[in-house]
Amino acid sequence: EAQVTQNPRYLITVTGKKLTVTCSQNMNHEYMSWYRQDPGLGLRQIYYSMNVEVTDKGDVPEGYKVSRKEKRNFPLILESPSPNQTSLYFCASRRGSGTGELFFGEGSRLTVL
Amino acid sequence: GIQVEQSPPDLILQEGANSTLRCNFSDSVNNLQWFHQNPWGQLINLFYIPSGTKQNGRLSATTVATERYSLLYISSSQTTDSGVYFCAVESGANNLFFGTGTRLTVIP
Repeated sequence: EAQVTQNPRYLITVTGKKLTVTCSQNMNHEYMSWYRQDPGLGLRQIYYSMNVEVTDKGDVPEGYKVSRKEKRNFPLILESPSPNQTSLYFCASRRGSGTGELFFGEGSRLTVL
Repeated sequence: GIQVEQSPPDLILQEGANSTLRCNFSDSVNNLQWFHQNPWGQLINLFYIPSGTKQNGRLSATTVATERYSLLYISSSQTTDSGVYFCAVESGANNLFFGTGTRLTVIP
């Protein structure tokens, strides 16, 4: 089954404790992206990647890192999480950049205390 | 970025009723998608529709790119249609801009 898989789905952590949210897709997609969803602000892009070793900032990249060492994986790293990073995070992928249907993972709900 | 406005912000329907959701956007786009976010938070793809009309069961969508709007039609609504409907657009900058959604509640 074609899918985008995120882990963990739920996480409660404390300020400053590094964490990684993994994202994997099995559709051989070149393009992958991370979004966060906050009440009243909608979904906003954090980072995106057009291919292996090619990443770029979205609208809200501060406090996040990403890497794209393999085509299927695009982890989101919070080096020193803060409470304002409490949010619902979505990973997404599609065949190429600029066009085509975007497929989303099931979301990861992160709480930073 | 592109401004995306959705209307109405909230909608309550009796089961079986029809509805139309609207999405206006501020610039020309090469990508437009409609999503349904269910009560568990999952984003479900409904339509990839940068232009034209598509239908999928009780749902259909039309995008008039030259006039910068898209419509999502829901016919014979069911309680499982409840949730938030998002329109998202892109103009080639590798960033999908989302509207703030229409929250639909279908009551039995």
